[in-house]
Amino acid sequence: KAGVTQTPRYLIKTRGQQVTLSCSPISGHRSVSWYQQTPGQGLQFLFEYFSETQRNKGNFPGRFSGRQFSNSRSEMNVSTLELGDSALYLCASSLSGAGANVLTFGAGSRLTVL
Amino acid sequence: AQTVTQSQPEMSVQEAETVTLSCTYDTSESDYYLFWYKQPPSRQMILVIRQEAYKQQNATENRFSVNFQKAAKSFSLKISDSQLGDAAMYFCAYRSTNAGKSTFGDGTTLTVKP
Repeated sequence: KAGVTQTPRYLIKTRGQQVTLSCSPISGHRSVSWYQQTPGQGLQFLFEYFSETQRNKGNFPGRFSGRQFSNSRSEMNVSTLELGDSALYLCASSLSGAGANVLTFGAGSRLTVL
Repeated sequence: AQTVTQSQPEMSVQEAETVTLSCTYDTSESDYYLFWYKQPPSRQMILVIRQEAYKQQNATENRFSVNFQKAAKSFSLKISDSQLGDAAMYFCAYRSTNAGKSTFGDGTTLTVKP
């Protein structure tokens, strides 16, 4: 069974640009959630999608957005990049996203904003 | 809102010894799930152990066990017979029964000395 695949793994952008990150969940998993990991802030929840609908959203500005497709693949977009957006962006999938369901994480997309 | 606190940013243990990582959380809910995840250097985050709040019995997975104290809102992880491969950052996480959002602590970096 293939794991959670995130692309690209590494990318460098400059301030003001936008970026799109992709996440392919484990087959059969319908929930995809996104987290931002930084040394200073730890793991911060961005949003969660289930069956193409955003179910939960963290406390991030509107520059951060996402979507989920009918095949459960998800993308997140960050517009007007700022230096503080440099982070490891982790995607995690689970069967239904709730309760006991374990999160299976991807390797992450490391974004550097110059 | 739920919060998760890991008061030990770094811990070290001698190979073959036992170490306990601390985690406390704050919630007004009575039913929820708690997790410990492990993130080895430059590798994907994986589940270590899971505990359902309605179960009084502490979860165990081979060398890993938890001490779950619901009234005290404490959820510590004990690693017995520590191995070099246990070196990683460990995250404690909380999830509500019906929510797709997991709240993570800031992590504890565990070093295993040979």
